[in-house]
Amino acid sequence: EVQLVESGGGLVQPGGSLRLSCSASGFTFRNYAMYWVRQAPGKGLEIISAIGDSGVTTYHAGSVRGRFTISRDNSKNTLDLQMSSLRPEDTALYYCVKDLVPGNWNPMLEYWGQGALVTVSS
Amino acid sequence: DIQMTQSPSSLSASVGDRVTITCRASQSIDKYLNWYQQKPGEAPKLLIYAASTLRSGVPSRFSGSGSGTDFTLTISSLQPEDFASYYCQQSYTMSRAFGGGTKVEI
Repeated sequence: EVQLVESGGGLVQPGGSLRLSCSASGFTFRNYAMYWVRQAPGKGLEIISAIGDSGVTTYHAGSVRGRFTISRDNSKNTLDLQMSSLRPEDTALYYCVKDLVPGNWNPMLEYWGQGALVTVSS
Repeated sequence: DIQMTQSPSSLSASVGDRVTITCRASQSIDKYLNWYQQKPGEAPKLLIYAASTLRSGVPSRFSGSGSGTDFTLTISSLQPEDFASYYCQQSYTMSRAFGGGTKVEI
């Protein structure tokens, strides 16, 4: 059974930093691209970061580029998102997501974690 | 950036109704289009990928069609558990991938 468990969410002041982690199990982690998708309260979905199976290829949405960094450790089956210079508009539920197809870079978002809530407020 | 426009943003329907949701891309995305269902308090679930391929385990009352710029998600006979929000997502690029969503209400 595929499991994706996010951790590291919480309340942070504007300008602060936070690191989200996702622990993956139930599949061959190193074979799949992984994503962070966020959803602000009552709003829609946004792919904010993505990383290819080997970790070489990455993507960051314009809204977070230069502030967020995605990384993965294929030896530990973990996905991370380092967030800095946080803004109130970054307040959202952050989902760790697995792609459907091995080696794919056209996101088909098959399995989702339950999300980590990040609140940016003073 | 590709813009994804979903319509309607909400709809009211009854159990047994046939429901159609449309998604339009601002440029051709071939068949790089996926559909998700999200219930309150839950993570989204992939229903259909590559415009028309039903994910394993998804009821056959769900179907998808289209290519290029115009796509539809159809629920042939709405069931109580189908009342939820639905999102289209283009997988042609990463940027601005999702439509704005459609809330299906009773």
